[in-house]
Amino acid sequence: DVKVTQSSRYLVKRTGEKVFLECVQDMDHENMFWYRQDPGLGLRLIYFSYDVKMKEKGDIPEGYSVSREKKERFSLILESASTNQTSMYLCASSLTGTVMYSYEQYFGPGTRLTVT
Amino acid sequence: AQKITQTQPGMFVQEKEAVTLDCTYDTSDPSYGLFWYKQPSSGEMIFLIYQGSYDQQNATEGRYSLNFQKARKSANLVISASQLGDSAMYFCAMREETTGGFKTIFGAGTRLFVKA
Repeated sequence: DVKVTQSSRYLVKRTGEKVFLECVQDMDHENMFWYRQDPGLGLRLIYFSYDVKMKEKGDIPEGYSVSREKKERFSLILESASTNQTSMYLCASSLTGTVMYSYEQYFGPGTRLTVT
Repeated sequence: AQKITQTQPGMFVQEKEAVTLDCTYDTSDPSYGLFWYKQPSSGEMIFLIYQGSYDQQNATEGRYSLNFQKARKSANLVISASQLGDSAMYFCAMREETTGGFKTIFGAGTRLFVKA
């Protein structure tokens, strides 16, 4: 059974703290993604990675960084958490191939982060 | 710039009737893939259906079909014979090639309510 796991379901942090969100997949997928989900805005892509140590900015990378040292693990880092980063964070992974392949994304359960 | 547009924040449908959820997209690439995902209140993301930009026929998966109109850049999801369990958020997504790999971006979603 395919699995994407995220380190925490719920997290409460203080403004200015450095926050690490971890995502692990066991499907040997090349691609991994971080999204945040906010009501009325859908899922917005923060960063994605197509290989170990390779990353690319998504649509809203400001205030975030990522790390992918191993194929199965993709970390999202909030360098200095702010209240506007309170959100649901979703990690996903997928196979590569070409853009035309129907390789859907597999999602983790999400981490609901609250920054106070 | 918004690349995936879902104009219906909420939709109601009577049980056993069909419903169409709208999705329009914007890309200049000739090669891309379109996806629909379902997110029940439990929060997990469930892949429903895929359409490639070069596919000649509309995709179908059980009660789900994708009305793909390439010239209009629309990819509407049709759910036939709605069931109470279809009540959920539905997201349209597009996968396109980037400099290093492929990214998938999502629309804001449509919340579907199925009435008994």
